[in-house]
Amino acid sequence: EDQVTQSPEALRLQEGESSSLNCSYTVSGLRGLFWYRQDPGKGPEFLFTLYSAGEEKEKERLKATLTKKESFLHITAPKPEDSATYLCAVRINNAGNMLTFGGGTRLMVKP
Amino acid sequence: DSGVTQTPKHLITATGQRVTLRCSPRSGDLSVYWYQQSLDQGLQFLIQYYNGEERAKGNILERFSAQQFPDLHSELNLSSLELGDSALYFCASRGSNEQFFGPGTRLTVL
Repeated sequence: EDQVTQSPEALRLQEGESSSLNCSYTVSGLRGLFWYRQDPGKGPEFLFTLYSAGEEKEKERLKATLTKKESFLHITAPKPEDSATYLCAVRINNAGNMLTFGGGTRLMVKP
Repeated sequence: DSGVTQTPKHLITATGQRVTLRCSPRSGDLSVYWYQQSLDQGLQFLIQYYNGEERAKGNILERFSAQQFPDLHSELNLSSLELGDSALYFCASRGSNEQFFGPGTRLTVL
């Protein structure tokens, strides 16, 4: 069965304290791994798409990487405004174009 | 702003009732996806439409149905509502590869 697992469930950082969020997946035929940011009560906001192992994408303080079994979202010198839930999702070969989401990591950055 | 619109923002209704949620995709996008987000289940795919036709189904209950109209807006109909249907309902539209989500409709069933 296709599975997406995110860890940790929650993470508290001090402003400026860099860290990484993990998304591990067990799927048959990955057609893309997606990272989203979600603020409370709002819709997920698209961040990155990764397609193949070794690929990296960067945006401001965020950097996403992909291996054959997992993806990492690295947050460098986070600020309080980076506080949100970060979701990863996969699209697989036999599922049309729907996304299967992990449970998310709730990030809180304290000033 | 993703360009995907959803109405209403909030819905409060009683058990046994029926409601309709509406979604307009981004200009030019033909696909609409519906997702349900609850505290215990996370974000779950319900159903997909492409240019008016149903393309894929997830764990959508038989009490739920959807359609996509010629102008590409979509409606999700939820009937015989139960307390457990309380959740955030999102629609998303797809461009070349990524899905862009709307602001959601928060449904509360009392």
